[in-house]
Amino acid sequence: AAGVIQSPRHLIKEKRETATLKCYPISRHDTVYWYQQGPGQDPQFLISFYEKMQSDKGSIPDRFSAQQFSDYHSELNMSSLELGDSALYFCASSLVGRPQETQYFGPGTRLLVL
Amino acid sequence: LAKTTQPISMDSYEGQEVNITCSHNNIATNDYITWYQQFPSQGPRFIIQGYKTKVTNEVASLFIPADRKSSTLSLPRVSLSDTAVYYCLVGDAYHSGGGADGLTFGKGTHLIIQP
Repeated sequence: AAGVIQSPRHLIKEKRETATLKCYPISRHDTVYWYQQGPGQDPQFLISFYEKMQSDKGSIPDRFSAQQFSDYHSELNMSSLELGDSALYFCASSLVGRPQETQYFGPGTRLLVL
Repeated sequence: LAKTTQPISMDSYEGQEVNITCSHNNIATNDYITWYQQFPSQGPRFIIQGYKTKVTNEVASLFIPADRKSSTLSLPRVSLSDTAVYYCLVGDAYHSGGGADGLTFGKGTHLIIQP
């Protein structure tokens, strides 16, 4: 079965620009999560959506927003980009309700802000 | 969420068994223990999850003592490709009402396997 798909895989932006990252979850998964991993750092949870509603919120900056669409794909919108936003952005998906729910991560989008 | 403590780094040799221990003294009754593996520039990958005693799958074993205040990930006969960062996470797998919480990654263990 296909895994989590993220696009684009690489993105270069300049300061103060905007960026949109897309995530396509595994088929039939109903929950999507976004994580940010800076250079040499551990993944940090940003936000999650279950059945198109925000489920949990982590350390997501106010400049970022996200949503989940009717086909369960999700988009992370990032505005007023800063140099510190340069990082790997991972999307993960899961199927909530299984006794032992686990998250499946995508390959990530590498964002470089110049 | 229960805080976890694990070694910053470990190294071993091909063919050896590697055990990585994680401490989680304030684990809650509903918490599961989950281990993820991450290679450089790749997303974390689920390895194993357990609640108590022992869990084994095709990749690893997870040993959890009766008090559940620690757990040990055991990787049998490691190879060079097992060089990665291993994260121990403790938390409720999902919350009532639908949806699931984001994972809180602490400082993982950098495992280096040498020939």
